[in-house]
This record gives sequence, C-alpha cells and structure tokens, in this order.
Amino acid sequence: KAGVTQTPRYLIKTRGQQVTLSCSPISGHRSVSWYQQTPGQGLQFLFEYFSETQRNKGNFPGRFSGRQFSNSRSEMNVSTLELGDSALYLCASSLDRGPSEAFFGQGTRLTVV
Amino acid sequence: GESVGLHLPTLSVQEGDNSIINCAYSNSASDYFIWYKQESGKGPQFIIDIRSNMDKRQGQRVTVLLNKTVKHLSLQIAATQPGDSAVYFCAEILITSGTYKYIFGTGTRLKVLA
Repeated sequence: KAGVTQTPRYLIKTRGQQVTLSCSPISGHRSVSWYQQTPGQGLQFLFEYFSETQRNKGNFPGRFSGRQFSNSRSEMNVSTLELGDSALYLCASSLDRGPSEAFFGQGTRLTVV
Repeated sequence: GESVGLHLPTLSVQEGDNSIINCAYSNSASDYFIWYKQESGKGPQFIIDIRSNMDKRQGQRVTVLLNKTVKHLSLQIAATQPGDSAVYFCAEILITSGTYKYIFGTGTRLKVLA
C-alpha cells in the first residue's frame, strides 16, 4: 500500500511568486491535512480537507489556500511568497476527519529567496 | 497565550534503558493529545494518542501518561533502542463545535547511546 506522496520534494521560489504543492493520500483516506514546519515555530496546522471541503483551518493568512479533489488528492497554494514562508510543508492523510491516526508524507521543502 | 512545550530539548539515554519525554500544556480544555516521532528527513509518525478522559494509555513499548491536575503529558519508551533516536513532539487538540485546534510542541531530540 503506497504511503502519502508529496510533490515536489524540493522547490526554490522567488519572493512575490506563487507556488502549488501536491499531496496524494493513502488510498481510501478521505481526510488530508497540511502543516508548516520551521525550526523556529515548529509544526503548525494549516488546514484540513475532507470530502472536498475545508473542515478546519489554522491561523495562517489568506495567502495560504488549498483544495481537495474528488479522488482525495489535495493541493495547497501560497501566493505572494515571503521569505518567511520558507519551510517544510507536510501533508497527512487519515481515514476520517479530525484528530486520529494520520500518516504523513515526507514533505516539500520550500525555499523562498 | 496557549502553548504546548517540552521541558528538555535533548535527551540522551543508554540503549536498553527507559526514556521519558515530557510535555506541558496550558489549555485545560484540550480534548485530545498525540505523540509523534520524527526521524531526520522524514515526516512525523503517529505514535500514540490519549483522550482527556483518560490518564494512561499503553502501546507497543510506549506508554502515555496524562496528568490533568498539572497539565502534563509524558511519553515513556521502554527498553530504548537505537531506532528510537528521533525528535519527539506532542500535540494538543481542542475540539470546539466540530472544529479542531491543533497546538504542537517544539520537540525533544532523543539520542540513544550504544
């Protein structure tokens, strides 16, 4: 059974650009959550999608958005990139919504220059 | 403000000994707690969870203890092995009207000494 797949693994963008990250959950999992991880702030929850609807949202500005497709695959988008957006972006999938045993991908390392 | 923190940033343990990793939380209304393990270059891995109406839960070689009186959470790893070397962090989840608020600790690095 394939795990959570995130693409790309590494990304370098310039300040002001926008970026889209992709996450393919484990087959059968309907919930996908996104997180930002930085050395200074640790892991922070961005949002959760379940059945194509955003169910939970963390405390991030509107520049951070996401969506989920009918096959449960999810994308997150960050517009008008700032240097502080440099981070490891992690996606996790689980069978159901809300806190439960979630399986994380390896993340996308985004560097904003 | 609300926070979840760890007392020790680095913990070194002899192989075969038991490890105890601690976490303090500030929101007494939190409903659910999770411990994660993160190895270098990998995403976090769910270890064990506990609901606020419990004070202890055991898994395979791991035990989580919840002390709501002092708002303290701990992860005990029995017979620590080299493969246990990683960063461990706790998460606190507050459930309100069907929405979930996640607060993560910054992490403790566990080093297992051979």
